Amino acid sequence: EAGVTQFPSHSVIEKGQTVTLRCDPISGHDNLYWYRRVMGKEIKFLLHFVKESKQDESGMPNNRFLAERTGGTYSTLKVQPAELEDSGVYFCASSLIGAYGYTFGSGTRLTVV
Amino acid sequence: KNQVEQSPQSLIILEGKNCTLQCNYTVSPFSNLRWYKQDTGRGPVSLTIMTFSENTKSNGRYTATLDADTKQSSLHITASQLSDSASYICVVSTSSGSARQLTFGSGTQLTVLP
Repeated sequence: EAGVTQFPSHSVIEKGQTVTLRCDPISGHDNLYWYRRVMGKEIKFLLHFVKESKQDESGMPNNRFLAERTGGTYSTLKVQPAELEDSGVYFCASSLIGAYGYTFGSGTRLTVV
Repeated sequence: KNQVEQSPQSLIILEGKNCTLQCNYTVSPFSNLRWYKQDTGRGPVSLTIMTFSENTKSNGRYTATLDADTKQSSLHITASQLSDSASYICVVSTSSGSARQLTFGSGTQLTVLP
C-alpha cells in the first residue's frame, strides 16, 4: 500500500512568489490534515479536510494560504504571495474516518528567500 | 491553552543503553496520547497510541506509559541501537465535536553513539 505522498520534497522560492504543495493521501482515507513546523517550533495544525470539505481550518495563519481538495482525493496547499516566515516543513497526514491512526507524509521543506 | 511539553530537549546515549523521555500535557478534552519517531527528512511515524484507560503500551523495545491523573507520559527505550537516533515527539489528541486535532510537543532529539 502506498503511503502518504508529498511533493515537492523541497522548494526554494523568493519572497512574493507563489508555491503550491501537493499531498496524495492513502487511498480511501477521507480525513486529510495539513500541518507545518517552522524552525525551532513544534508541529502545528493548519487544517482538516473530510473528503472535499474543509472540516476545520482554524490553524491557517492568514489568507495567503489556500487549501483545496477537489474531488476528495489529493489536496493542494498554495501560498501566495510567500513571505520569509512561511519557511518550514509542511506535513500532510491522512486517516480513515473514526480511526486513531494517522499516517504522515515525509513533508515538503519550503524555504522562502 | 493546550500544550505539550517534552524533556529533555536533546539526549545523547551510548549504544546498548536505556533511556526515558518525558512528556507533560495540558490538553483538554483528552482523547489519546501518541509517541512518534521522526527520522531526519521523514515524516513522523507512530510508535504507540494510548487512550485514557491505558497506562502502558509496548512496541518492541519501546514502552510508553501514561498517567492521565497527572497528565504525564514517558517513553522508555531499551537496549538502544544506532537506528534509534531520531526526534521523538509526544502528541496529544483532543476530540472536539467531529474534528480531531493533534497538539505536538517540540520533540526530544535522541542521538545514539557507537
